[in-house]
Amino acid sequence: KAGVTQTPRYLIKTRGQQVTLSCSPISGHRSVSWYQQTPGQGLQFLFEYFSETQRNKGNFPGRFSGRQFSNSRSEMNVSTLELGDSALYLCASSLRGQGKDTQYFGPGTRLTVL
Amino acid sequence: EDQVTQSPEALRLQEGESSSLNCSYTVSGLRGLFWYRQDPGKGPEFLFTLYSAGEEKEKERLKATLTKKESFLHITAPKPEDSATYLCAVGNRDDKIIFGKGTRLHILP
Repeated sequence: KAGVTQTPRYLIKTRGQQVTLSCSPISGHRSVSWYQQTPGQGLQFLFEYFSETQRNKGNFPGRFSGRQFSNSRSEMNVSTLELGDSALYLCASSLRGQGKDTQYFGPGTRLTVL
Repeated sequence: EDQVTQSPEALRLQEGESSSLNCSYTVSGLRGLFWYRQDPGKGPEFLFTLYSAGEEKEKERLKATLTKKESFLHITAPKPEDSATYLCAVGNRDDKIIFGKGTRLHILP
């Protein structure tokens, strides 16, 4: 069974630009969660989508948004990039939801904002 | 407020020197406790899920245990390739997951 895939793996942007990251979950998984990971803050939860609906949301500004498609693939968008948005962005999929089942993580997208 | 605290923050061991990592939690209605291993620049790799106090799971040199307040990840006779950050997380009754900040483990050859 293929694991969680994320594209692109690396991204370099400049301040003010916007970026879209993509995540394909494990086949059959309906929940996709997104996380931001930085050395100082650890893993911080962004949001969770289940069957195309946002089910949970973390404490991030509205510049961070996401969506999920009918095939469970998910995208995350960050608008008006700031230097502090440089991080490893991880997505994770699970069958029924992040708190209910084991989540499986993708390799991450390393975003650098210059 | 639900929270997860992992200790120690960092641990250096000699190869073969067994030890334990701790994950203390406060959660409203534990749905599950999850252990992950993460190598630098990579996504966390799933290790174990524990659902109720008294449960234990093993995989190679790792053994995870769970009580009502904490979980331990026991590492027996570790090897340098066990060096990584180990993350603990809990799922609560609202189906949200809370991660600890991790323990950085370094095994010296």
